[in-house]
Amino acid sequence: DADVTQTPRNRITKTGKRIMLECSQTKGHDRMYWYRQDPGLGLRLIYYSFDVKDINKGEISDGYSVSRQAQAKFSLSLESAIPNQTALYFCATSANQETQYFGPGTRLLVL
Amino acid sequence: AQSVTQLDSQVPVFEEAPVELRCNYSSSVSVYLFWYVQYPNQGLQLLLKYLSGSTLVESINGFEAEFNKSQTSFHLRKPSVHISDTAEYFCAVRAPGAGSYQLTFGKGTKLSVIP
Repeated sequence: DADVTQTPRNRITKTGKRIMLECSQTKGHDRMYWYRQDPGLGLRLIYYSFDVKDINKGEISDGYSVSRQAQAKFSLSLESAIPNQTALYFCATSANQETQYFGPGTRLLVL
Repeated sequence: AQSVTQLDSQVPVFEEAPVELRCNYSSSVSVYLFWYVQYPNQGLQLLLKYLSGSTLVESINGFEAEFNKSQTSFHLRKPSVHISDTAEYFCAVRAPGAGSYQLTFGKGTKLSVIP
């Protein structure tokens, strides 16, 4: 079984809809992250969490919110989706300053 | 703050030829360096990393990268590529330390191996 899982893997939604992307990990890591990937721009950090009670904004947090429900679960929400949020979203985990391990990604299309 | 520049957005190369994917970084402090690979329709996988010690690091599938502090580079090389190496490669950097969180990525280099 994969160490970092993301659901759904693909999602199509309409402008203005609220959607949630979920991430679960079995690695026992304290740190979790949400990134978005856009063609030609690499990955950019949206939010990160060092533990259940610690959540921080990343480089591009506007229009997004997160919830750390447990050590193993970190959800990303788009409160009112807009077309420029169409992207590939990745969840990642790490233990302290060690290597980050990525999930398979969620491909989101906002119409 | 750190930044990463991957000088080539696309690199086509014939099968069994050598390849070098270039990565330069900017940082006011010492850094950890990483190369991640993303195969088509998949997530990112760690290819290799430099934390300390020997400046030459190797992956299990024949890639290697050398940390050059004076040139602030961490170029990725393979002496003979295979079709299965076709993927997008991302260089990333972060500052060491327990409080550090920011993994800064380059924009990626798409490696296309031509039969």
